[in-house]
Amino acid sequence: ETGVTQSPTHLIKTRGQQVTLRCSSQSGHNTVSWYQQALGQGPQFIFQYYREEENGRGNFPPRFSGLQFPNYSSELNVNALELDDSALYLCASSLLGVQETQYFGPGTRLLVL
Amino acid sequence: GENVEQHPSTLSVQEGDSAVIKCTYSDSASNYFPWYKQELGKRPQLIIDIRSNVGEKKDQRIAVTLNKTAKHFSLHITETQPEDSAVYFCAASRGEGSNYKLTFGKGTLLTVNP
Repeated sequence: ETGVTQSPTHLIKTRGQQVTLRCSSQSGHNTVSWYQQALGQGPQFIFQYYREEENGRGNFPPRFSGLQFPNYSSELNVNALELDDSALYLCASSLLGVQETQYFGPGTRLLVL
Repeated sequence: GENVEQHPSTLSVQEGDSAVIKCTYSDSASNYFPWYKQELGKRPQLIIDIRSNVGEKKDQRIAVTLNKTAKHFSLHITETQPEDSAVYFCAASRGEGSNYKLTFGKGTLLTVNP
C-alpha cells in the first residue's frame, strides 16, 4: 500500500452542485496529480500541483480547479456538476525533479444524479 | 498530445500460461513507461516501469520490453496465477523537464482461469 490517502471514499451529488475532494500525499513527496477514471477507461490527467502552483493541465474545463497546501496535500474542486462527472477521482503523489514514479491513492467515487 | 493504444482489451489464459499485453504510443519525446495493475474497486498499483535508455526490464515473473524505434512496449507475465487477474494499464510520459503527466491506455482485463 502507498501512503497516499483520499477522502471521502464515496460521494453522491446532484447536477449543478459543487464538490471538494481531498488528497494527502506520500511522506516526502512534493507533487500531487489528479486523474479522472470513468468506468471501463484508463485514468485521464486533470492537472498537477507542485509547490502550491498548477504545473500542467489536461483537457478539462475551468470548473475543475485545485489547490495545494504547504504540507503538499491537495484539493480538487468541481463546480456546476454534470452527469458525466460521475467517475473515480484518483490522486497520485510523486517527487518532481527526482523521480517520475507516481503512487496512487484509493480514489473517491463520485456519483452525480 | 500523446496517445496510447493498448491491446487486447480482454485476455483470458489458463493458470501457468504466459500473458502478453501490447501498447503503442505516439509522442517520440515520451521516455518513461509504467505499467499499473488495478484490481476491482482498488487503486492502480505500479508493477513495473521502464525508461527509454533500457530495452528490457524483468522483475520475477513480470517483464517489460520497449522498442523506441517502433514506439511500442509490452508487458509479459509468465507462469500466470489466479491472483494475476485484474485490469492492467500501460502509460507513457515525458520525463525530465516536464510535469511527468501520465497518458494511459484503455486497459486490458486479464482473467487467469484455474
